[in-house]
Amino acid sequence: GNSVTQMEGPVTLSEEAFLTINCTYTATGYPSLFWYVQYPGEGLQLLLKATKADDKGSNKGFEATYRKETTSFHLEKGSVQVSDSAVYFCALTTHDRGSTLGRLYFGRGTQLTVWP
Amino acid sequence: EAGVTQSPTHLIKTRGQQATLRCSPISGHTSVYWYQQALGLGLQFLLWYDEGEERNRGNFPPRFSGRQFPNYSSELNVNALELEDSALYLCASRPLAGGPQTQYFGPGTRLLVL
Repeated sequence: GNSVTQMEGPVTLSEEAFLTINCTYTATGYPSLFWYVQYPGEGLQLLLKATKADDKGSNKGFEATYRKETTSFHLEKGSVQVSDSAVYFCALTTHDRGSTLGRLYFGRGTQLTVWP
Repeated sequence: EAGVTQSPTHLIKTRGQQATLRCSPISGHTSVYWYQQALGLGLQFLLWYDEGEERNRGNFPPRFSGRQFPNYSSELNVNALELEDSALYLCASRPLAGGPQTQYFGPGTRLLVL
């Protein structure tokens, strides 16, 4: 089946620290991978995505590389800011044209808190 | 371009009542997905509508139902509310099928069941 396993939080960092949030997946077929971010009291926003192996998604200083050999899509940022404090969700969707088309499978989310 | 909109933003109901949540997708998007985000349970897939038809549903009881209108907006109905239905309900829309396009989420409706 399809599933996403995400690093358990919470993660607490000081400003300018390096961030890694691990994400691994299992999928039937060939998935596309996403990171979504949820700021306090808000819905989900797409942070970045990658649709094929070795693709690197990037946005706002965040990066993640689609690693098919390790079935991973780890999120990284070289220098976090207080404004990055949020919950981060790793997700996948498959190319299956059946009833699961487009459905997102989410990890449990990782709460990130950045202190000044 | 307007994003996905949801209404109401907050909803308070008591056990046994019915709740109706609404979602308007991005113009040109024909697929609408509903997800439940309950405390401690992460994001759970509820329902998928495309071209007015229910295409798939997650592992939820039949009292969770919905529909999609000709203008592609959607309604989620929850009957016989239970305390554990308290959650943030998120709607997402996606363009016409042709591949795993990105889903765009609305701000959600926060339902509280007392």
